[in-house]
Amino acid sequence: AQTVTQSQPEMSVQEAETVTLSCTYDTSESDYYLFWYKQPPSRQMILVIRQEAYKQQNATENRFSVNFQKAAKSFSLKISDSQLGDAAMYFCAYRNSGGSNYKLTFGKGTLLTVNP
Amino acid sequence: NAGVTQTPKFRILKIGQSMTLQCAQDMNHNYMYWYRQDPGMGLKLIYYSVGAGITDKGEVPNGYNVSRSTTEDFPLRLELAAPSQTSVYFCATQPFKGRTDTQYFGPGTRLTVL
Repeated sequence: AQTVTQSQPEMSVQEAETVTLSCTYDTSESDYYLFWYKQPPSRQMILVIRQEAYKQQNATENRFSVNFQKAAKSFSLKISDSQLGDAAMYFCAYRNSGGSNYKLTFGKGTLLTVNP
Repeated sequence: NAGVTQTPKFRILKIGQSMTLQCAQDMNHNYMYWYRQDPGMGLKLIYYSVGAGITDKGEVPNGYNVSRSTTEDFPLRLELAAPSQTSVYFCATQPFKGRTDTQYFGPGTRLTVL
């Protein structure tokens, strides 16, 4: 079974600075997808960024980018120019590309605090 | 287009009571999921459905039941509620073409069992 590990329960960053959240995963599959979700205090799960394992290029979405290291099974999220609205719980998630259900496996999350 | 809706938003149950958490979607997505999120933890899959009439267990199905009679609705039934079922419950959907797509989450239901 796949597992996802987020080793940083909490992180903090100064407004306008850059922060990196770590995620490692374990799988025997070669084709899969990785996601970062943001969960603000409202509890809504919001997709931040997605990476397809067969793509070597790291995904970027505005101020959010990932460092995908397939051999090391590492998938970190970099937030540049941090804003107060970035404060939230961030979850790393894994999904097989095949199979019948596309279910997501989540890490335990990293609570990000943004200091003004 | 309301997306994924969940009712109720909050509920307090007594031990042994039963209830149904409702999930509805208007996006015509085939796949639907129920997750639970315990404090300080990530989401864990309870049940899922790949289409009307088809359901299957996830990681933590004990104490729950589901049904999927229509594409739009995927209710989660708790029988004989226990304190261990205190959690936040999320419903999610995904389109059938979803090899490259992601899941869309509802706003969640916070359930407390006392």
